[in-house]
Amino acid sequence: DTAVSQTPKYLVTQMGNDKSIKCEQNLGHDTMYWYKQDSKKFLKIMFSYNNKELIINETVPNRFSPKSPDKAHLNLHINSLELGDSAVYFCASRYSGTRFTDTQYFGPGTRLTVL
Amino acid sequence: GQQVMQIPQYQHVQEGEDFTTYCNSSTTLSNIQWYKQRPGGHPVFLIQLVKSGEVKKQKRLTFQFGEAKKNSSLHITATQTTDVGTYFCAGRFRAGKSTFGDGTTLTVKP
Repeated sequence: DTAVSQTPKYLVTQMGNDKSIKCEQNLGHDTMYWYKQDSKKFLKIMFSYNNKELIINETVPNRFSPKSPDKAHLNLHINSLELGDSAVYFCASRYSGTRFTDTQYFGPGTRLTVL
Repeated sequence: GQQVMQIPQYQHVQEGEDFTTYCNSSTTLSNIQWYKQRPGGHPVFLIQLVKSGEVKKQKRLTFQFGEAKKNSSLHITATQTTDVGTYFCAGRFRAGKSTFGDGTTLTVKP
């Protein structure tokens, strides 16, 4: 059973298009994240949701809009794609019940290429 | 802002040599986690350290958390080709979220 899944795995699109990435976790976690990993491997947090509520919103262009329909799902919609949006996007989840357990479980990633 | 600095960014070693990556914070951390990302893969949790001065071992990997809970290290003894990848630390600050270091990418020459 896949714990954190993302679709699609690869996404190739033209500049200016709008695209969505979906994430689902079956771990019963209450917190989900979106990270962007660039070519230098830096992992940058973009958004975090806890119980469907946005709790972290880093400095991200407003072309990026996350949506959490329920605790198990977190989607990312990107409008007007730009070349600089090309990266690997990772979804992750964790259980926030105790501060002593901060383990995050990552999805396999979505490699976005903007042409 | 609260950052976790990780060094080095890259490390190339000969198989059998040791490897160490370091994470440092200017403020006290509640805990620190370590993750490994294989080439083409996703970050996978390795371990979490919580206590001041804590040392944990996983086979050839040794993880340390500093006495002041501001720094941590991951040491691999006698590297193998299966150790290649990028190692990330992620520190949780007392009042906030976990922040990932920039990662150390390890390559191992057979």
